Amino acid sequence: DQQVKQNSPSLSVQEGRISILNCDYTNSMFDYFLWYKKYPAEGPTFLISISSIKDKNEDGRFTVFLNKSAKHLSLHIVPSQPGDSAVYFCALRTSNTGNQFYFGTGTSLTVIP
Amino acid sequence: DVKVTQSSRYLVKRTGEKVFLECVQDMDHENMFWYRQDPGLGLRLIYFSYDVKMKEKGDIPEGYSVSREKKERFSLILESASTNQTSMYLCASTKNGGQGTEAFFGQGTRLTVV
Repeated sequence: DQQVKQNSPSLSVQEGRISILNCDYTNSMFDYFLWYKKYPAEGPTFLISISSIKDKNEDGRFTVFLNKSAKHLSLHIVPSQPGDSAVYFCALRTSNTGNQFYFGTGTSLTVIP
Repeated sequence: DVKVTQSSRYLVKRTGEKVFLECVQDMDHENMFWYRQDPGLGLRLIYFSYDVKMKEKGDIPEGYSVSREKKERFSLILESASTNQTSMYLCASTKNGGQGTEAFFGQGTRLTVV
């Protein structure tokens, strides 16, 4: 049973516009939420995170929003750049499971120049 | 610069071979993980380890085993490789702690079983 879902396998956005990537989860015990970016033939790299006590965290062009009541996480990239083209995974963790992360299925973002 | 290093970027093995994938981290992290990534399925956890000589099954352990004899090294073993084990394999490590502890990944090993 998939606890973490990214319902959009792919997304295309024009350069300069906003990219919005979504992630939904079922387990209300998740308390730490992360986004990873992955280029082909490379390992994922950490992008941004948010804890359950917040509803927004910003880092430059990247903002993560958390809606705990809806069990929904989103990543906004603005303005989008061609170098942002990659696969994005959300990753969630609960204190109950120690350091085990649960990953979404990924969204492939293409930013069109 | 912190690092998780996987021994091979690309591997081609024959069906039935025993395959070893090695992962080394230099961050003194307690926890290490092996995932496989397949299109449309995301990252699926195979095995993880919270300490030396300790191992726990993840979501898809069948056909795999692991070894952690030293804190910095975590090996994934395919006892008898099969074509359905063709995949991208990713090793990760984390430090013990609460929130704020992200996972660091290796560069991945693309394994093809023919």
